Amino acid sequence: AQSVTQLGSHVSVSEGALVLLRCNYSSSVPPYLFWYVQYPNQGLQLLLKYTTGATLVKGINGFEAEFKKSETSFHLTKPSAHMSDAAEYFCAVSEITNAGKSTFGDGTTLTVKP
Amino acid sequence: EPEVTQTPSHQVTQMGQEVILRCVPISNHLYFYWYRQILGQKVEFLVSFYNNEISEKSEIFDDQFSVERPDGSNFTLKIRSTKLEDSAMYFCATADPTNLYEQYFGPGTRLTVT
Repeated sequence: AQSVTQLGSHVSVSEGALVLLRCNYSSSVPPYLFWYVQYPNQGLQLLLKYTTGATLVKGINGFEAEFKKSETSFHLTKPSAHMSDAAEYFCAVSEITNAGKSTFGDGTTLTVKP
Repeated sequence: EPEVTQTPSHQVTQMGQEVILRCVPISNHLYFYWYRQILGQKVEFLVSFYNNEISEKSEIFDDQFSVERPDGSNFTLKIRSTKLEDSAMYFCATADPTNLYEQYFGPGTRLTVT
């Protein structure tokens, strides 16, 4: 069975500071990992994904994440936060053996202070 | 860029009424999914659908729920007799069978049961 744990339901950073959102996963087979962003009253937007190959993946809006198998982690980072990054972020894991079903973490609310 | 569309964007219904939520998938996608997000909570898997049958369903997807693809284009989620706790955002997602892990999410339908 697959599962996702996002450490920290709320993260607050200052504008220009490093953003680090933590995600740990559990999967019985090699996972596919995703980060989504959700702005208030909107849908899910894919930020980035890891499937195979390079473990450091780059996404939209300057975000990137690194797949670390030994730590079962897929933390999301951005070097310099912008006010527009304030949103809810969800980490998700998918297994090809489950017909692509995705399991989401509880989400992390990112607040950016001016 | 192709996208998944959902109608209506917002549905208000009275408890005990039937609702049908509609999704138009990306044209070459053959795997379909419904997810639910209760306000302030995480996104939860409901059901996956392929080749005109359910591939997998969660414990949330009880006898009150059904899915179908009635005309080969729309993919629908029916809730037979709505309860207050069915109030949530419902997301449709679709995937290409050659790229199963990459699901494309629709903008969601906000269901409010009164």
